[in-house]
Amino acid sequence: DAKTTQPPSMDCAEGRAANLPCNHSTISGNEYVYWYRQIHSQGPQYIIHGLKNNETNEMASLIITEDRKSSTLILPHATLRDTAVYYCIVTGGATNKLIFGTGTLLAVQP
Amino acid sequence: DTAVSQTPKYLVTQMGNDKSIKCEQNLGHDTMYWYKQDSKKFLKIMFSYNNKELIINETVPNRFSPKSPDKAHLNLHINSLELGDSAVYFCASSQGIGTGTNQPQHFGDGTRLSIL
Repeated sequence: DAKTTQPPSMDCAEGRAANLPCNHSTISGNEYVYWYRQIHSQGPQYIIHGLKNNETNEMASLIITEDRKSSTLILPHATLRDTAVYYCIVTGGATNKLIFGTGTLLAVQP
Repeated sequence: DTAVSQTPKYLVTQMGNDKSIKCEQNLGHDTMYWYKQDSKKFLKIMFSYNNKELIINETVPNRFSPKSPDKAHLNLHINSLELGDSAVYFCASSQGIGTGTNQPQHFGDGTRLSIL
């Protein structure tokens, strides 16, 4: 079973920031928080990951709380092409196995 | 250049047939994976190979047999196809495994398998 909890769906206006929350209260000390997204009919796409510190790359920012029990993915200026299912995944250990939950369907509205 | 490529993209076949799906990555990664996404859109890992060695086998029926001829290829052979095998199969790759070498996985575009 997935170790994360996400809202099933969210809306965001085009051009505004999209903030996607994720709870992972049972995360272990050596486990990372990963975010992937799946645009309709395509393979999952890696977005960002982090262990303890906040991270930023060209796609998004990842904010991890100090106790590491939750995180937020931020898309700073959402576009229509960001409409997708976003998966928050906790992983680590010997196999790097990804366990996908149901994710959050982000609908960016014009 | 496509990083992780799967062939075929679509596969329609009769129940009981045997079929193979091929996956190749040109990223120089040493770990490859197969995932299955069913009609309800749940994505689930099936297998993983690291340097041609099987490291994950997630309670998949033994009709499914992965084969890794080299680090850049991981093929999936399915015997005696059943209706429940209809799904999208995704291949992925990553650099390294294990604690401290956590690396993102790169996915192919999937193979859509339909069993008639």
